[in-house]
Amino acid sequence: NAGVMQNPRHLVRRRGQEARLRCSPMKGHSHVYWYRQLPEEGLKFMVYLQKENIIDESGMPKERFSAEFPKEGPSILRIQQVVRGDSAAYFCASSPTGLAGVGPGELFFGEGSRLTVL
Amino acid sequence: KQEVTQIPAALSVPEGENLVLNCSFTDSAIYNLQWFRQDPGKGLTSLLLIQSSQREQTSGRLNASLDKSSGRSTLYIAASQPGDSATYLCAVRQETSGSRLTFGEGTQLTVNP
Repeated sequence: NAGVMQNPRHLVRRRGQEARLRCSPMKGHSHVYWYRQLPEEGLKFMVYLQKENIIDESGMPKERFSAEFPKEGPSILRIQQVVRGDSAAYFCASSPTGLAGVGPGELFFGEGSRLTVL
Repeated sequence: KQEVTQIPAALSVPEGENLVLNCSFTDSAIYNLQWFRQDPGKGLTSLLLIQSSQREQTSGRLNASLDKSSGRSTLYIAASQPGDSATYLCAVRQETSGSRLTFGEGTQLTVNP
């Protein structure tokens, strides 16, 4: 059973370009979460998605960031017009269940995508 | 707003020593607490998950305890090894926020041979 797969592992973009980060959850998992880890900081929640639905995007910056989890294919985190402050490690996690009280709710993380903005 | 604090921020010990990492959280209305390990440049590996109704969980040389009412958890590592060197992260899941985790900033552990 493959783990959470993220690609690319490393991405370099110039200011103003777009970054697309992909995440394939573990087999059988239908809940995906994106977290960001800025240099020298802890992980911060960004967005929680189920297939074709955004459940909680309260951690997403209001502009330039978007996420989707289509019916087919991986989840995508898209950052438009990147700035240097977007340089960070972006982690995806998945779980088989997502709601409090339904299952243990353990999250499994991918290896992360490290974005560097020049 | 939930806040998670981990003490110490960094710890260096000789091989073979038993050690304790601490995690505290401000809002005791949690659903569960999870300990992770993060190696440099790598992702997070789940170590132990403790449900709010549980007091502790054990896996090999690792033992995690939870005192929900006082807002504390500890991760005990027995007979530490150089391979245990990593950053250890504590994360809590609230009863009311779905599956979102709130992370501490981690304890960077170095075990010297």
